[in-house]
Amino acid sequence: QSVLTQPPSASGTPGQGVSISCSGTWSNIGRNGVNWYQNLPGTAPKLLIYRSDQRPSGVPDRFSGSRSGSTVFLAISGLQSEDEADYYCATWDDSLNAWVFGGGTKLTVL
Amino acid sequence: QVQLVESGGGVVQPGRSLRLSCAASGFTFSNYGMHWVRQAPGKGLEWVAFIYFDGNKISYGDSVKGRFAISRDNSQNTLYLQMNSLTAEDTAVYFCARDGRIYSSGKDFFEFWGQGTRVTVSS
Repeated sequence: QSVLTQPPSASGTPGQGVSISCSGTWSNIGRNGVNWYQNLPGTAPKLLIYRSDQRPSGVPDRFSGSRSGSTVFLAISGLQSEDEADYYCATWDDSLNAWVFGGGTKLTVL
Repeated sequence: QVQLVESGGGVVQPGRSLRLSCAASGFTFSNYGMHWVRQAPGKGLEWVAFIYFDGNKISYGDSVKGRFAISRDNSQNTLYLQMNSLTAEDTAVYFCARDGRIYSSGKDFFEFWGQGTRVTVSS
């Protein structure tokens, strides 16, 4: 059981938008920035969003992050077939003194 | 550009040891903390360990504490993970990842990742 809770799956059609949630508690998301990673099978995970809403250079602005209390969201607009991947949220947990991840959300582009 | 290349994975019997390496290039290695993260087959990501930029502070995930040891050689731009008393639950792809800020405490974000090296623990 993951410390951070993500829906196991999400889907959308090309051009649509989709939002993936990541819920935690006061000791993790409530106190620290959250990062989102895109993971394609057999490849290195890629940083999409850091500190909850910051986008690294080179990441398309179709990807955005937001926060509401102890839940953060990854929004992807204008879905493309290459967005089909697993998405993970992660943050530091002040109680566990460890990094914690969500269980991952498999995004399918229909 | 930043490159992280892991090596040292393979098939090992339960109870045995293995040492992983991560060769870094494209940045000043000695300025950045480094992490190991693993992914078991069909499972999610799990943080394993972190080492400060100068090696003076180290932290581990609970599942590997007391069995694994992270270290680094800044003169060789290389990160290591010594894995002892391996069990089937350690079977995973192991990634090294660079921290997102120089001289940080490792609680910010993993900015760059390697492609990973596969470890299989099986008799």
